[in-house]
Amino acid sequence: QKEVEQDPGPLSVPEGAIVSLNCTYSNSAFQYFMWYRQYSRKGPELLMYTYSSGNKEDGRFTAQVDKSSKYISLFIRDSQPSDSATYLCAMSAWGSYIPTFGRGTSLIVHP
Amino acid sequence: DAMVIQNPRYQVTQFGKPVTLSCSQTLNHNVMYWYQQKSSQAPKLLFHYYDKDFNNEADTPDNFQSRRPNTSFCFLDIRSPGLGDAAMYLCATSRGDDSYEQYFGPGTRLTVT
Repeated sequence: QKEVEQDPGPLSVPEGAIVSLNCTYSNSAFQYFMWYRQYSRKGPELLMYTYSSGNKEDGRFTAQVDKSSKYISLFIRDSQPSDSATYLCAMSAWGSYIPTFGRGTSLIVHP
Repeated sequence: DAMVIQNPRYQVTQFGKPVTLSCSQTLNHNVMYWYQQKSSQAPKLLFHYYDKDFNNEADTPDNFQSRRPNTSFCFLDIRSPGLGDAAMYLCATSRGDDSYEQYFGPGTRLTVT
């Protein structure tokens, strides 16, 4: 079992849909959680990070962490074609600056 | 704007011909990382530096080496590229204290012919 599991997709949704992207993890030491967006042939771009359970909102994006279930989510409201990209989750234990990445979920938002 | 810069963006090399990829940062971050990413895969950590302290992952091939001559610059050397080394190479930085998020450069896409 990998430390971080992420469904590679692709996930195809119509414009305006609410998108839910998820990762599960097995290492209970993970305390810091990040989401990256990666457009084709570009480097990953940090979207959001959080170090606690609960929700964190930034514009159309909401990151949710459930440590009891070892499950994190990224919600995208009012999805746009420009959101089409691969979304990578990453997580670190306290004191470790080496994150563990999921393999990414490919999202396609069609007009 | 503070950023991570990688050069070149695209590199074509011949089988066995050494190549050097460069990374620079204006974020003044302590930690610099080199990742290899192949299609539809998670980035794979090759090396990282905390200041000048060098760390390579146990499964990083000997064919790969790295240098960090100062805080701002880091280089990835591939001594004898094979076809399997064709990939996107990503440089990233992080502060390295109690802040864990990484900032990535645009990547260098390496093609081996």
